Amino acid sequence: GNSVTQMEGPVTLSEEAFLTINCTYTATGYPSLFWYVQYPGEGLQLLLKATKADDKGSNKGFEATYRKETTSFHLEKGSVQVSDSAVYFCALLDSGSARQLTFGSGTQLTVLP
Amino acid sequence: DSGVTQTPKHLITATGQRVTLRCSPRSGDLSVYWYQQSLDQGLQFLIQYYNGEERAKGNILERFSAQQFPDLHSELNLSSLELGDSALYFCASSVGPGTGTASSPLHFGNGTRLTVT
Repeated sequence: GNSVTQMEGPVTLSEEAFLTINCTYTATGYPSLFWYVQYPGEGLQLLLKATKADDKGSNKGFEATYRKETTSFHLEKGSVQVSDSAVYFCALLDSGSARQLTFGSGTQLTVLP
Repeated sequence: DSGVTQTPKHLITATGQRVTLRCSPRSGDLSVYWYQQSLDQGLQFLIQYYNGEERAKGNILERFSAQQFPDLHSELNLSSLELGDSALYFCASSVGPGTGTASSPLHFGNGTRLTVT
């Protein structure tokens, strides 16, 4: 079946530090890949997406590249802000008949001023 | 604001009881999805409805049921509650029957926190 593995949290960084949150996946076919963000007390929001190999999704300074050869979709940001503190979820949407999102376990990010 | 409304925000109840969680999707969205978020299981897809009909089923227990009404709001019914049912229950909606596609992204509500004592 499909699965998404994210790096264990929590991750604590200082403001302006570089962020990487690792995400690898297992899926049949050619899934679409997503990063969602969950701010405290809120639901998940789509952060960025990539629908095919070598696509780069980007939004709000965050980037992730769909790497089919390594089955990865790592999230990066060059300079984090306190307001980026949230839980980040990697997810895949399979290309088969099920077509439901499979989420990773989430990575808590705390950015200190 | 995602436009998806969930009520109540918090619910505390005892084991063996039954509760109903309510979701109003974003205006214009025909699909409603229910997810359970717990510390040990992460975010699990429960069930999807599209325009009143069940579209897909995930890891939903037999003690749980859902429906989508003609006005497109949805209710998730949880019965014979156990301590392990304590979790955040999210509702999400999308325009079309597909999930999280570029043309039909998911919009999540803020969740209902259920505590079973």
